[in-house]
Amino acid sequence: GAVVSQHPSRVICKSGTSVKIECRSLDFQATTMFWYRQFPKQSLMLMATSNEGSKATYEQGVEKDKFLINHASLTLSTLTVTSAHPEDSSFYICSARPLAKNIQYFGAGTRLSVL
Amino acid sequence: QQQVKQSPQSLIVQKGGISIINCAYENTAFDYFPWYQQFPGKGPALLIAIRPDVSEKKEGRFTISFNKSAKQFSLHIMDSQPGDSATYFCAASMSGGSNYKLTFGKGTLLTVNP
Repeated sequence: GAVVSQHPSRVICKSGTSVKIECRSLDFQATTMFWYRQFPKQSLMLMATSNEGSKATYEQGVEKDKFLINHASLTLSTLTVTSAHPEDSSFYICSARPLAKNIQYFGAGTRLSVL
Repeated sequence: QQQVKQSPQSLIVQKGGISIINCAYENTAFDYFPWYQQFPGKGPALLIAIRPDVSEKKEGRFTISFNKSAKQFSLHIMDSQPGDSATYFCAASMSGGSNYKLTFGKGTLLTVNP
């Protein structure tokens, strides 16, 4: 149990285009979903926290207009990188927290490469 | 301000040996301490977790030791295997606070030589 599916696993796009990443909790309802960014050989950096039906809470320094987060249901959150540029190339990972539990389960990550 | 300090940054162990990774935290409100294992190009996988009401938790070859007074916790991997080679992250969070956000350590790259 506790499977989080993240799609796509890898995406290559041209500079200026937008990319959407999906995060789904397959066998549980997620009160909260989190979006992280990870640079090579570094730890996970929290970008934003989203609760179903509410606006996402962004960490300091993260551009909310650049990284749009939608959490439309208790099993789905999406991250859209708008007008992507090469500096947005990174490994993006989502996690989901089940209802009434203090545990986070992570997706497999999405490797974004912006040309 | 780094709230969870993890050491060592990298660790090399021979097959069959014991791998030990240490973490120290500052926020006494933390009440959940998980360890995650991450292989290259993959998301972190929850390995084992502990809450401050116990001093030790064991699951198979993996053991967490927790010292509340010292604000430290550690991961012990017994009989380390080459397949354990990965990056390990400790983390901490507090129930109900800030949506249960995890604060991560910087990670330890473990290499187990055959």
